[in-house]
Amino acid sequence: AQSVTQLDSQVPVFEEAPVELRCNYSSSVSVYLFWYVQYPNQGLQLLLKYLSGSTLVKGINGFEAEFNKSQTSFHLRKPSVHISDTAEYFCAVSEGVGGSYIPTFGRGTSLIVHP
Amino acid sequence: EAQVTQNPRYLITVTGKKLTVTCSQNMNHEYMSWYRQDPGLGLRQIYYSMNVEVTDKGDVPEGYKVSRKEKRNFPLILESPSPNQTSLYFCASSIAGGVYEQYFGPGTRLTVT
Repeated sequence: AQSVTQLDSQVPVFEEAPVELRCNYSSSVSVYLFWYVQYPNQGLQLLLKYLSGSTLVKGINGFEAEFNKSQTSFHLRKPSVHISDTAEYFCAVSEGVGGSYIPTFGRGTSLIVHP
Repeated sequence: EAQVTQNPRYLITVTGKKLTVTCSQNMNHEYMSWYRQDPGLGLRQIYYSMNVEVTDKGDVPEGYKVSRKEKRNFPLILESPSPNQTSLYFCASSIAGGVYEQYFGPGTRLTVT
């Protein structure tokens, strides 16, 4: 069965600093990977996704993520954060052929951007 | 506008009083799902449905029921709510599982006293 681990429950950072939110997964088949963002008092929305092809994926609001198959990771990065990036970030994985196709979410990482 | 709607958004109820949280999507999606979000535990799947009349248990189905009689609707039923079901609930829909992203509703905050 697939699983998703977000290694940091909370990441504090100052405005304009770079940030990396870590995500590792386990699966024995091919996977599809997603990052979702949840702003305060809202539902989740898609930030970016990796399906196939280039391992570097760019998303909305200047975020990007890199798929590393050998390390089974899909870390999210942004070179310079803004106060408005303060939110909860969820990594999710779905399995492909031979797997469950049902998405599994990590526990989330709270990004707190300080002025 | 493509969206997932949930009602009610906020609900305070008492132990044992049956309640239903409705979920509706207007995107003709096959896949729908219910999650609960609790501090420190992230999103946990309660039930999902791959299509009309097809539902299956997620990770935390105890105490919940669902039905999928129409493609657009996927209500969550708590027959006898208990305080440990106090949580933030999200409905989501997707074209299908696998490669497709999920679209989330705005959430329902439920308090059971």
